[in-house]
Amino acid sequence: GQNIDQPTEMTATEGAIVQINCTYQTSGFNGLFWYQQHAGEAPTFLSYNVLDGLEEKGRFSSFLSRSKGYSYLLLKELQMKDSASYLCAVLDSNYQLIWGAGTKLIIKP
Amino acid sequence: NAGVTQTPKFQVLKTGQSMTLQCAQDMNHEYMSWYRQDPGMGLRLIHYSVGAGITDQGEVPNGYNVSRSTTEDFPLRLLSAAPSQTSVYFCASSQDPQINQPQHFGDGTRLSIL
Repeated sequence: GQNIDQPTEMTATEGAIVQINCTYQTSGFNGLFWYQQHAGEAPTFLSYNVLDGLEEKGRFSSFLSRSKGYSYLLLKELQMKDSASYLCAVLDSNYQLIWGAGTKLIIKP
Repeated sequence: NAGVTQTPKFQVLKTGQSMTLQCAQDMNHEYMSWYRQDPGMGLRLIHYSVGAGITDQGEVPNGYNVSRSTTEDFPLRLLSAAPSQTSVYFCASSQDPQINQPQHFGDGTRLSIL
């Protein structure tokens, strides 16, 4: 079966750095997405990786290793507004998105 | 700049009732989809459409119907509501799911079945 694993919850301090991991086992791979979802709101797109390596976008970076079935989202200079759930999703061989359950990130002052 | 619009935002139904969740997008996206989101689980695909007149089943289609008569609209129908269908429903659209186009989500419909 297809599976995406993320930690359920993480806590970090304002101004610090946090890394949210995502491991996947899917039938084929056509890219990996990260989305942010604030409580009670819709998911919003953060990043897309299809090749190995690090993609940087301001305070957020996303890394992919296809051979290891592994990705992480790195958030720097954490702000209180970064408190949200972070969803990892893989586009499988049929171009269907398989979603992880999400990681709830709690930022403490 | 509306994007994806879902109505209603909240709904309470009794078991056995039927209803339609509305979804409209103004971005001329070909691909539209419906998800449900339950606590502790990832988004699960109910139905999707790759263009007007074309629909297909996702991971959890039972108890739901869809139609796509226009590019803009993609309603989701609950045929006979059951408590197991209590969930948050999201409609999403994208230009093309086969390339790196992100999904644009509506604000969701919070549905409770009593």
